[in-house]
Amino acid sequence: KQEVTQIPAALSVPEGENLVLNCSFTDSAIYNLQWFRQDPGKGLTSLLLIQSSQREQTSGRLNASLDKSSGRSTLYIAASQPGDSATYLCAVIDGTASKLTFGTGTRLQVTL
Amino acid sequence: NAGVTQTPKFQVLKTGQSMTLQCAQDMNHEYMSWYRQDPGMGLRLIHYSVGAGITDQGEVPNGYNVSRSTTEDFPLRLLSAAPSQTSVYFCASSRTSGNTGELFFGEGSRLTVL
Repeated sequence: KQEVTQIPAALSVPEGENLVLNCSFTDSAIYNLQWFRQDPGKGLTSLLLIQSSQREQTSGRLNASLDKSSGRSTLYIAASQPGDSATYLCAVIDGTASKLTFGTGTRLQVTL
Repeated sequence: NAGVTQTPKFQVLKTGQSMTLQCAQDMNHEYMSWYRQDPGMGLRLIHYSVGAGITDQGEVPNGYNVSRSTTEDFPLRLLSAAPSQTSVYFCASSRTSGNTGELFFGEGSRLTVL
C-alpha cells in the first residue's frame, strides 16, 4: 500500500527566505506526482504536476523535483511571501494510474 | 470559468438522515471524484467516475452512493448519516479519462452529523 509522508508538518519562516518542503512515498512505481496548495476553509489548488518521466517542473517562484528511485519529491519556494502561507499537499498516482494517494500536508506560515 | 462547484457549503444532519452533496463542473472533464478530508488522515477517495454512466468505489465507499448521468454532474448521496461521516467533502475533476491529469477541486462541503 502506497504511503505518502510530508515532513515537517508545520513550518514558520520569515518573509524573503527560500524554503524546501519534502514529500516521500513508499512505492516508487508512480505515474505522476502533484503538488497542491490549500488555504484555510478552501479547496485544493494545483501548483505543479510532474510526470514520472520528468525530474522537475517550475512555475514562477515554485520548483518541484522528483526522484522516483529514492521515493522523494521536494517543493522549493523562492523568496517567500506572507501570501504563500497555506497548507501544501503532495499526491502520487500509482503506476496503474488508478489510485491517488495524498500526504497529510505541511502547514506553512510566512511572517513579516 | 466556474470550474468545480459544490453545494451546499455547510450542512448539519441528524443521525439517520439522508442527503445529497452536489458537484458540477463546466470544463467538460471526463474524470470526477469525491474525497473526504479528516484531521490527521489526509484526503481519502470515496467514489470516482471515468465518464458518464461509469462509477467505481474508492478507498472509503461505505455509506455513500454516487451516479453519473451526465458529464457535468456527480452527486454524492449519504444514505443514512452517521457521526463518523462528519467531515469536509471535496469534489475533484480531471480532463483525462484516467486519474492522470491535473486535478481541479471544488471549495468543499462541510458536513456535521449529530
